Amino acid sequence: DGGITQSPKYLFRKEGQNVTLSCEQNLNHDAMYWYRQDPGQGLRLIYYSQIVNDFQKGDIAEGYSVSREKKESFPLTVTSAQKNPTAFYLCASSSQGGSSGYTFGSGTRLTVV
Amino acid sequence: AQKITQTQPGMFVQEKEAVTLDCTYDTSDPSYGLFWYKQPSSGEMIFLIYQGSYDQQNATEGRYSLNFQKARKSANLVISASQLGDSAMYFCAMREGMVTGGGNKLTFGTGTQLKVEL
Repeated sequence: DGGITQSPKYLFRKEGQNVTLSCEQNLNHDAMYWYRQDPGQGLRLIYYSQIVNDFQKGDIAEGYSVSREKKESFPLTVTSAQKNPTAFYLCASSSQGGSSGYTFGSGTRLTVV
Repeated sequence: AQKITQTQPGMFVQEKEAVTLDCTYDTSDPSYGLFWYKQPSSGEMIFLIYQGSYDQQNATEGRYSLNFQKARKSANLVISASQLGDSAMYFCAMREGMVTGGGNKLTFGTGTQLKVEL
């Protein structure tokens, strides 16, 4: 079945470490996105990519980096510059269509220890 | 200004009753789309329903319907015959602009936590 796979489901990071969250899709979608969700808040856009080898900053890109070397993959690196990285991270993809929303992964819960 | 506003942090509804979750939006773009998503405690995001700005009729999907009032910029979700499994967080979201020009970026509201009671 087609879908989006995020790994790992839970991730613990020490202060000062960079960590990379994986996101893979087999839906043949052109666009991919990373969102951050904090308790009591909605989803906020970190980065998005509409095509391979191209990506744009979202609303809260500081302290994060991404790459899009393959259509299927859009990994997110949470760098040590991100001062408050503990959150739930959701990856999504979409095709270019009017009523198509996003297909979401199951999320990665990142905790700083 | 918030682009998507959900003013109900939490709602309770009795099983088999209908419930309306409010959503208002703000955009100057004539072309936009409105979405509702359900997020159970597991964290996954489940697409429920979509309404395009040029759609003449309100969208319906099974027990879900969208009460779209364009002049008031509101897109309320109506869930009929509530079930215990409907207990979850519900998010309203908007895509602005033409898809081919701006991609499919979605802006989300802060969500409404719905609890269905016996």
